[in-house]
Amino acid sequence: AQSVTQLDSQVPVFEEAPVELRCNYSSSVSVYLFWYVQYPNQGLQLLLKYLSGSTLVKGINGFEAEFNKSQTSFHLRKPSVHISDTAEYFCAVSPASGGSYIPTFGRGTSLIVHP
Amino acid sequence: GAVVSQHPSRVICKSGTSVKIECRSLDFQATTMFWYRQFPKQSLMLMATSNEGSKATYEQGVEKDKFLINHASLTLSTLTVTSAHPEDSSFYICSAREGSGAQGDQYFGPGTRLLVL
Repeated sequence: AQSVTQLDSQVPVFEEAPVELRCNYSSSVSVYLFWYVQYPNQGLQLLLKYLSGSTLVKGINGFEAEFNKSQTSFHLRKPSVHISDTAEYFCAVSPASGGSYIPTFGRGTSLIVHP
Repeated sequence: GAVVSQHPSRVICKSGTSVKIECRSLDFQATTMFWYRQFPKQSLMLMATSNEGSKATYEQGVEKDKFLINHASLTLSTLTVTSAHPEDSSFYICSAREGSGAQGDQYFGPGTRLLVL
């Protein structure tokens, strides 16, 4: 089984500042990792995913994340945030084998961008 | 990109009635569809996984007789909340997977907010 821990429930930041949203996972097998964004009263949208290859993954809207196997982390970063980035962000992990590939989600981090 | 729709977007019903929520993949065929429940300020809880033409696989603790799932075609899945009660009030989100394995991205619907009075 897999589990995901998002260490910060809320991250306030000023516009144009950099931001990092933290995600740690635990798993007994190899994993795939995902970050999703959810705007109010909407479903989830995939920001980026790590399946294999380069540990630095670039996604949409200027976000990127780095897979660190030794630290079992997959932190999300953006060098300069905008007001429109205010949303809920979910980290997710799925097994990389076994067939189901059903992701387990973290509790989410609320990113609040202030003007 | 691929689009998943849900209908209705919000519904208010009386206790004891049944509510059906539709989930459609608009421009792709979904080999697998998922139903999630989300409580305020919390993560998504997987309720069940369904493949077209076969019975849904429910997660532990989810009552299959209360939450009826029908995956009638590769583009449509329905969730029926039978004899709804106030504790069933929640945000229900479906998602659809195109293709197989993790190579098939999972696309999420906009969600349905259910309020049971």
